[in-house]
Amino acid sequence: GAVVSQHPSRVICKSGTSVKIECRSLDFQATTMFWYRQFPKQSLMLMATSNEGSKATYEQGVEKDKFLINHASLTLSTLTVTSAHPEDSSFYICSAREMGVSGNTIYFGEGSWLTVV
Amino acid sequence: AQSVTQLGSHVSVSEGALVLLRCNYSSSVPPYLFWYVQYPNQGLQLLLKYTSAATLVKGINGFEAEFKKSETSFHLTKPSAHMSDAAEYFCAVSAANTGTASKLTFGTGTRLQVTL
Repeated sequence: GAVVSQHPSRVICKSGTSVKIECRSLDFQATTMFWYRQFPKQSLMLMATSNEGSKATYEQGVEKDKFLINHASLTLSTLTVTSAHPEDSSFYICSAREMGVSGNTIYFGEGSWLTVV
Repeated sequence: AQSVTQLGSHVSVSEGALVLLRCNYSSSVPPYLFWYVQYPNQGLQLLLKYTSAATLVKGINGFEAEFKKSETSFHLTKPSAHMSDAAEYFCAVSAANTGTASKLTFGTGTRLQVTL
């Protein structure tokens, strides 16, 4: 099946710094990618929808200036957490919708653990 | 708008027993429905999906789910649980055939425990 890869899988950064997480669709093209945040033992919360070549659409309550999303190609979207704080520590998961396939086929990455110290 | 309710945050079954994970949805438009599985510290893997074709959907690892419009349900079942089925299961819904078809709304998840 289709593969979505996230990098890094784990990252630790100091408070106040920025960190970038990459999401790649390895064997398909994705015009739309999604970024989720998941707290321990909780469900996934959609943060934003990333569309190739255009600005991301953020969910209510998500700070777009803090969580910068770039979808520069059909296989890559990046999430940059700017001026990170300990409360930003979380599991971030991306997903990608396979272009040209009906039925809303969406594949998820392995997730990235962010720890802000 | 869509929403999903998963009844039971924890379900425990014996190995070899029937697995039943409940999911009810709410949608103002025809829905697509999905079940995903998440193993510890990993992303989500698609188990199966309903996209307005057959109401009984068969997925990977022996799982299946039946879409029942009259009950607004999409319960996940497996005839015989295996130890490797222990994981977190998420039901999700999206709108079908609209510009926002891709946006998934997830339930709160059900943790399946399989005991010997």
